[in-house]
Amino acid sequence: GAGVSQSPRYKVAKRGQDVALRCDPISGHVSLFWYQQALGQGPEFLTYFQNEAQLDKSGLPSDRFFAERPEGSVSTLKIQRTQQEDSAVYLCASSSQAGNTEAFFGQGTRLTVV
Amino acid sequence: SQKIEQNSEALNIQEGKTATLTCNYTNYSPAYLQWYRQDPGRGPVFLLLIRENEKEKRKERLKVTFDTTLKQSLFHITASQPADSATYLCALGDYSNYQLIWGAGTKLIIKP
Repeated sequence: GAGVSQSPRYKVAKRGQDVALRCDPISGHVSLFWYQQALGQGPEFLTYFQNEAQLDKSGLPSDRFFAERPEGSVSTLKIQRTQQEDSAVYLCASSSQAGNTEAFFGQGTRLTVV
Repeated sequence: SQKIEQNSEALNIQEGKTATLTCNYTNYSPAYLQWYRQDPGRGPVFLLLIRENEKEKRKERLKVTFDTTLKQSLFHITASQPADSATYLCALGDYSNYQLIWGAGTKLIIKP
């Protein structure tokens, strides 16, 4: 595709509900990152994939957060038993090389837990 | 722990002037530093990357400096335009892991 696509654009979840956020990276991009961004703050690293391998998941805030990229392209970030503190914008970024080079971001998914 | 500081207050600049944004960091020795632009409701857009062995980098009206002694990067936009109005984020990284550490951003407003 022309850019990184994330869906849904907005998600409202009731506390305790499970949610799944999707990221379609730029075709052929090796690296894929997930970030969490609170209002007025910079993005916070969650996890990194190189192709289908999850090389770093140290930023995932709890074991309720799970990410996968089974075929090295589309990725899903799943949050189980959502809490109010999970409310944030979740950003996905991809890059053509391994590691942190020029990253292309999607528009994000705004998650609101009520 | 690592800390990155960017001007928390909005920066108001007259159109045509040079805008200078600051990124200071402590307790860290980054191998490289990146600058991104973010518009409301959008994801960040990559602008420039500068490595620790580079003092300065330019791209069209943009210039970035990286002073590892002062632990500071300056980001300049010359001949600023209202379309340059956005939040500008700096992000630091090294080669030991895949994480970027981000500042909170500075909101830049260019007035016509």
